[in-house]
Amino acid sequence: GESVGLHLPTLSVQEGDNSIINCAYSNSASDYFIWYKQESGKGPQFIIDIRSNMDKRQGQRVTVLLNKTVKHLSLQIAATQPGDSAVYFCAETPAGVDTADKLIFGTGTRLQVFP
Amino acid sequence: NAGVMQNPRHLVRRRGQEARLRCSPMKGHSHVYWYRQLPEEGLKFMVYLQKENIIDESGMPKERFSAEFPKEGPSILRIQQVVRGDSAAYFCASSRTRDRGVQPQHFGDGTRLSIL
Repeated sequence: GESVGLHLPTLSVQEGDNSIINCAYSNSASDYFIWYKQESGKGPQFIIDIRSNMDKRQGQRVTVLLNKTVKHLSLQIAATQPGDSAVYFCAETPAGVDTADKLIFGTGTRLQVFP
Repeated sequence: NAGVMQNPRHLVRRRGQEARLRCSPMKGHSHVYWYRQLPEEGLKFMVYLQKENIIDESGMPKERFSAEFPKEGPSILRIQQVVRGDSAAYFCASSRTRDRGVQPQHFGDGTRLSIL
């Protein structure tokens, strides 16, 4: 059943350090994954995505790693900045035309950056 | 900057009233998705629409909730006879195509619905 009212796991990082946020996804048939950043009072903001035929993808200061064997996704943020403080969600899309591309979100991790 | 626009940003209703949430997708986007988020939780899919068609409503409660995306105008999420449990943030996302990896879903800033 659903878990209601749980506090989000929190990752506290010093400014300038690298951050690694992890996500375990649920559906081995998922073929597309996205990381979103959500700041307080705002909607999710796209960071980076990856297809299941890849195991690594890099963007500006961010890298996503995909391990399909253990259904694990990670987001690495280099040289973390105060502006990176937010809640980070991974999302997956199961394969197949009937899924209508709905995103299935993970529970989220709160990233706190301190000076 | 024509991102996904949602209004109102905050909506207060009393139990039994109706709530209407609006979403204007990004320019050129014809695919709209609605999600619901409770505090400290991830977003939960509700419904996926294209112009004038509901494609997938598997996440919508079977009663009191409805959605539309008319040929002209914004997409509307309608909640009739609201109850306290409907209090949540409702987010709309849009995309240009269904080609994943080319057009990820872009989100609006949501409507915070509070039921008194």
